[in-house]
Amino acid sequence: QSVLTQPPSVSGAPGQRVTISCTGSSSNIGAGRDVHWYQQLPGTAPKLLIYSNLFRPSGVPDRFSGSKSGTSATLAITGLQAEDEADYYCQSYDNSLSVPYVFGTGTKVTVL
Amino acid sequence: QITLKESGPTLVTPTQTLTLTCTFSGFPFSVSGLGVGWIRQPPGKALEWLALIYWDGDKRYSPSLNSRLTITKDASENRVVLTMTNMEPLDTATYYCARAWCGGDCNNYYFDYWGQGTLVTASS
Repeated sequence: QSVLTQPPSVSGAPGQRVTISCTGSSSNIGAGRDVHWYQQLPGTAPKLLIYSNLFRPSGVPDRFSGSKSGTSATLAITGLQAEDEADYYCQSYDNSLSVPYVFGTGTKVTVL
Repeated sequence: QITLKESGPTLVTPTQTLTLTCTFSGFPFSVSGLGVGWIRQPPGKALEWLALIYWDGDKRYSPSLNSRLTITKDASENRVVLTMTNMEPLDTATYYCARAWCGGDCNNYYFDYWGQGTLVTASS
């Protein structure tokens, strides 16, 4: 059971904006730990989408953006496209569990 | 070009030990701030971090699996090996290796390159 909670699913029509939350606690996100986001297209390995809360690796479209506030982080996708249909995971560090790497529960994005 | 590739058995019998090898290229493992880790994903489920070894040989394990896991590196051969003892059906998953990088802040690592994954089934 992950300490980072995400909604199981979100959906939107092409062109719309969708957001995915990643809710943690005072021992991880709230403790100032960075949040990173991964996109996993069907049948493929995860791919780094956002690192250190808000930075995009080279090649990631600027339709994807990240933010963090308090004990939560948010991934936003603007101008939703069919190719964005995938699973999305957040990742951070949890002080209390001595687990350097914790992943969120995952969110399935469906493009209607 | 940075690449990682997992190799190992696709089928193991319950109670057996699983040995997986991650062979990587495109980066020297001696660089400060680097690590190579293992993450698994049971069919239809979320990602679960297992273990990581840093450039300086330091190691971290998932507390829930700590007693069953060993991670080692052979930097000269660009390989990282994970062993998991006493396999059981619940360990059936796709196992990924990934490069961990901290950039300038080594309190916050992320996985910037991933292998394609290898599906391991634990069944009699």
